[in-house]
Amino acid sequence: AQSVAQPEDQVNVAEGNPLTVKCTYSVSGNPYLFWYVQYPNRGLQFLLKYITGDNLVKGSYGFEAEFNKSQTSFHLKKPSALVSDSALYFCAVRKRSGSARQLTFGSGTQLTVLP
Amino acid sequence: EAGVAQSPRYKIIEKRQSVAFWCNPISGHATLYWYQQILGQGPKLLIQFQNNGVVDDSQLPKDRFSAERLKGVDSTLKIQPAKLEDSAVYLCASTQLWERAYEQYFGPGTRLTVT
Repeated sequence: AQSVAQPEDQVNVAEGNPLTVKCTYSVSGNPYLFWYVQYPNRGLQFLLKYITGDNLVKGSYGFEAEFNKSQTSFHLKKPSALVSDSALYFCAVRKRSGSARQLTFGSGTQLTVLP
Repeated sequence: EAGVAQSPRYKIIEKRQSVAFWCNPISGHATLYWYQQILGQGPKLLIQFQNNGVVDDSQLPKDRFSAERLKGVDSTLKIQPAKLEDSAVYLCASTQLWERAYEQYFGPGTRLTVT
């Protein structure tokens, strides 16, 4: 079975400061990893993915994430936070093999960027 | 391109009543997913379709939930009879069929309240 843990329910950061939202995963074999963002009353929006290659992947809105296989982590980062980044962030994992492509999501981290 | 469409956006029903949700995926997307997102949790997959066939419905409570995608395009998720614990946001997502289609695209969701 695959699973994702987001250890922080809430992350607060001041505008202009760097932000990190943590994610660890458990899956057999090598994973595909994703970050999604959810704004109030809206569906999930794709931010970035790790498929293969460089461990540091860049995504939308200046976000990036670092894949660390030994620590089974995929933390989301941004060098300088904006108030508009305040939202609910979900990490997700998917197996590489098999016809079923289910995403397993973490429980989410509410990011609040303070002006 | 148009995104994933869902209706209704909100629904309030009493327990033991029935309800149906509709989803129209992005044009050309062969794979369609229904997720249940309970407040404070990440989305949980209920059922996955590939064209009009079911790939995975292992987490669908089949005694009360049903879903169909008769023509391989839009889909309907039904709950009959509803229970209080069915209160959640029901998200529809779609993706292309080919192997390198990694991202799932989500609709805005239907917020169901069962009283």
